[in-house]
Amino acid sequence: AQSVTQLGSHVSVSEGALVLLRCNYSSSVPPYLFWYVQYPNQGLQLLLKYTSAATLVKGINGFEAEFKKSETSFHLTKPSAHMSDAAEYFCAVSGASYDKVIFGPGTSLSVIP
Amino acid sequence: NAGVTQTPKFRILKIGQSMTLQCTQDMNHNYMYWYRQDPGMGLKLIYYSVGAGITDKGEVPNGYNVSRSTTEDFPLRLELAAPSQTSVYFCASSSGGLAGAGKEQFFGPGTRLTVL
Repeated sequence: AQSVTQLGSHVSVSEGALVLLRCNYSSSVPPYLFWYVQYPNQGLQLLLKYTSAATLVKGINGFEAEFKKSETSFHLTKPSAHMSDAAEYFCAVSGASYDKVIFGPGTSLSVIP
Repeated sequence: NAGVTQTPKFRILKIGQSMTLQCTQDMNHNYMYWYRQDPGMGLKLIYYSVGAGITDKGEVPNGYNVSRSTTEDFPLRLELAAPSQTSVYFCASSSGGLAGAGKEQFFGPGTRLTVL
């Protein structure tokens, strides 16, 4: 069955520091992978997605993620954190029949001035 | 385009009451989803629909019902509210499925429900 784990329910970084949010997945089929962001009191919005093209995927707001099949990972990074990056981040993997998406538990990112 | 809209934004229910959470999308998406979000638990799929007249259970369907009579609307019904249904509910839509695998889900702003 498809599943997603996100290491660290809370991550704090200083403004200007590297952001690294970890995601590992399991999938019985070639996966499609997603990162979504949720700002306070809002719905989720797509940051980026992997759809079997380039393994390094660039998203909005300077975020990127690298698909590593051997490690079953899809970690999210940003070189320099900004205060506006404070939010909840969800990694997700497509379901086996691709009709639904399985979300991880989320990582809350805090940015310290 | 308004995208995905949900009503109401907030609601307080008493135990045993019923209500319907409304969801409408104007993107002509075939796929629609209902999730609940509880702190530290991520999003859990309640029900989903792959088109008008077709619905299926997700991970946590107990205590809920859905219908899909049109492409645009996907209401979620709570028949006998229980405190365990206190949560934030999100509706989403996509053009996903096998033919559209990897397509983005578009989320509504959510409904915050409290059952007392």
